[in-house]
Amino acid sequence: EAGVVQSPRYKIIEKKQPVAFWCNPISGHNTLYWYLQNLGQGPELLIRYENEEAVDDSQLPKDRFSAERLKGVDSTLKIQPAELGDSAVYLCASSLDAGDRAYNEQFFGPGTRLTVL
Amino acid sequence: DQQVKQNSPSLSVQEGRISILNCDYTNSMFDYFLWYKKYPAEGPTFLISISSIKDKNEDGRFTVFLNKSAKHLSLHIVPSQPGDSAVYFCAASSAYSGAGSYQLTFGKGTKLSVIP
Repeated sequence: EAGVVQSPRYKIIEKKQPVAFWCNPISGHNTLYWYLQNLGQGPELLIRYENEEAVDDSQLPKDRFSAERLKGVDSTLKIQPAELGDSAVYLCASSLDAGDRAYNEQFFGPGTRLTVL
Repeated sequence: DQQVKQNSPSLSVQEGRISILNCDYTNSMFDYFLWYKKYPAEGPTFLISISSIKDKNEDGRFTVFLNKSAKHLSLHIVPSQPGDSAVYFCAASSAYSGAGSYQLTFGKGTKLSVIP
């Protein structure tokens, strides 16, 4: 079974430029997450989708970040314009949430490492 | 304020010995705890979890212990193998955080090095 796919793996841009990251979750997974991981830190949730609905975007800086999951499958995270402080790894994860709170395994993709110069 | 704390940034252990990774949390609403393992240039992978109704969960060489009164959990790896060398993240979630009920709060991670 294919895992979570993310592209690109690495991206270098100059500040004030736009950038977009793409994620394809594990087939059949209804919930998709975007995380930000700064160097030396753990992942921090940016946004969570249940199917095509963003059910938790409280941590997404909406002035410059946007995300979409139009058909409830793959998703795109965009930054416009990028700032120096946006340099980080952007992780996508997915899970199959069937209402059973006892099991909440999230499967992570390899991430996109963004460097803003 | 960090709600999940891993106070040891790194740990070195001899192959065959026990590795003990520690995690403390401050939010008493957390009711489910997970450990993730991360190799360089890869995403975190799920390792083991424990519900707050238990105090121990074991899976092969990996055991997680939960002390709710101390708000502390630990991951034991016995015996440690060189392939266990990775960054280990402790994470916690709560059923009571409303729209974020599936939100995982991660610690900063502990880098484990198992020396052959």
